[in-house]
Amino acid sequence: AQSVTQPDIHITVSEGASLELRCNYSYGATPYLFWYVQSPGQGLQLLLKYFSGDTLVQGIKGFEAEFKRSQSSFNLRKPSVHWSDAAEYFCAVGARNGQNFVFGPGTRLSVLP
Amino acid sequence: ETGVTQTPRHLVMGMTNKKSLKCEQHLGHNAMYWYKQSAKKPLELMFVYSLEERVENNSVPSRFSPECPNSSHLFLHLHTLQPEDSALYLCASSQGAQGLDTQYFGPGTRLTVL
Repeated sequence: AQSVTQPDIHITVSEGASLELRCNYSYGATPYLFWYVQSPGQGLQLLLKYFSGDTLVQGIKGFEAEFKRSQSSFNLRKPSVHWSDAAEYFCAVGARNGQNFVFGPGTRLSVLP
Repeated sequence: ETGVTQTPRHLVMGMTNKKSLKCEQHLGHNAMYWYKQSAKKPLELMFVYSLEERVENNSVPSRFSPECPNSSHLFLHLHTLQPEDSALYLCASSQGAQGLDTQYFGPGTRLTVL
């Protein structure tokens, strides 16, 4: 079964600064990869996903993520953070050979004015 | 996001009460899910339904009882809960129940058990 780690529990950045949220997975093959965002009191919203092809994936709200097979990583990036980006971010992995879908523990992002 | 709706949004119940959470999806999907989100813990998948049949049950206590009468509706029946069951309960749906199927989430029901 696959697993997901997000090494950073909480990250604080200044508005306008760049952002990178880390995600590492463990799976025997190339998985399906997702990033979701959860604003306070809300459900999860899909930011982007990777299935195959170009390893740099563009998502909504100016986010992108890069799949690196050699590092088993799928880090999320944004060049300039906005105050409205403050939220919890979850990386998730879906298995190619079945129904397993696993979420990471999440990284909480705080944005300083 | 109005694709997946959940009611009620907030629920307070005693340990001897019986209540139900409702989820409805308007996306034409065939799979629906219940997740539990507790503070400082990862999202826990509770139940998965595909074409109205339960396909996964992750060792959830019997005081939680799911029901999927059709592909658009999913219920979670609650009885004799414990205070540690207090959490945000999220419903999601997807086209299929495979690993590649993007899940779309409702806003959740915040449950407090006294």
